[in-house]
Amino acid sequence: DTGVSQDPRHKITKRGQNVTFRCDPISEHNRLYWYRQTLGQGPEFLTYFQNEAQLEKSRLLSDRFSAERPKGSFSTLEIQRTEQGDSAMYLCASSPLVNREWVNYGYTFGSGTRLTVV
Amino acid sequence: LAKTTQPISMDSYEGQEVNITCSHNNIATNDYITWYQQFPSQGPRFIIQGYKTKVTNEVASLFIPADRKSSTLSLPRVSLSDTAVYYCLVDPDSNYQLIWGAGTKLIIKP
Repeated sequence: DTGVSQDPRHKITKRGQNVTFRCDPISEHNRLYWYRQTLGQGPEFLTYFQNEAQLEKSRLLSDRFSAERPKGSFSTLEIQRTEQGDSAMYLCASSPLVNREWVNYGYTFGSGTRLTVV
Repeated sequence: LAKTTQPISMDSYEGQEVNITCSHNNIATNDYITWYQQFPSQGPRFIIQGYKTKVTNEVASLFIPADRKSSTLSLPRVSLSDTAVYYCLVDPDSNYQLIWGAGTKLIIKP
């Protein structure tokens, strides 16, 4: 297992287009998270899955954003009708579920997908 | 609004010990304190986590006083490759919605 993988690493799109990002978490991790990060800021929580169930979604998240995690494995994040303000690094992370067993590991983040909307 | 306050930036030199302090005055009983490191164009990387007193691993030490209202990340004998942004987070047991501040940009000089 090589960690959390994200694809693509970079995406340039025109305003109004739809984009989809993929995240492959560490295989034994039940929990998967999506964060967004803009330059000079810390990551901002978007949504989280436990297995295939989406258990939390940021109230700040536009309805143009949707995420799925079919079969509790990989996850996709789709942004519809992209806007210039969506330009950011989109980070995926995973962690195990068991009773803070993760305490020795924290989240494992991928390298992110950098989105540029022109 | 971030739950933590840390310096925006710090400078140090190779071979020195670096201490980064974080304030978390409103920490809750079930919160853990976690530190991450982030290099440009990469995702954050977990460094260390603790609840109270002192925790040490192969990378860093974390000192937490009895009142838990602050914590200090200690990096021994830093090198140029330790130049990065360091984030301090308080992490509720639910652990799914971390709130990140802007972090501390640490620059190590030769």
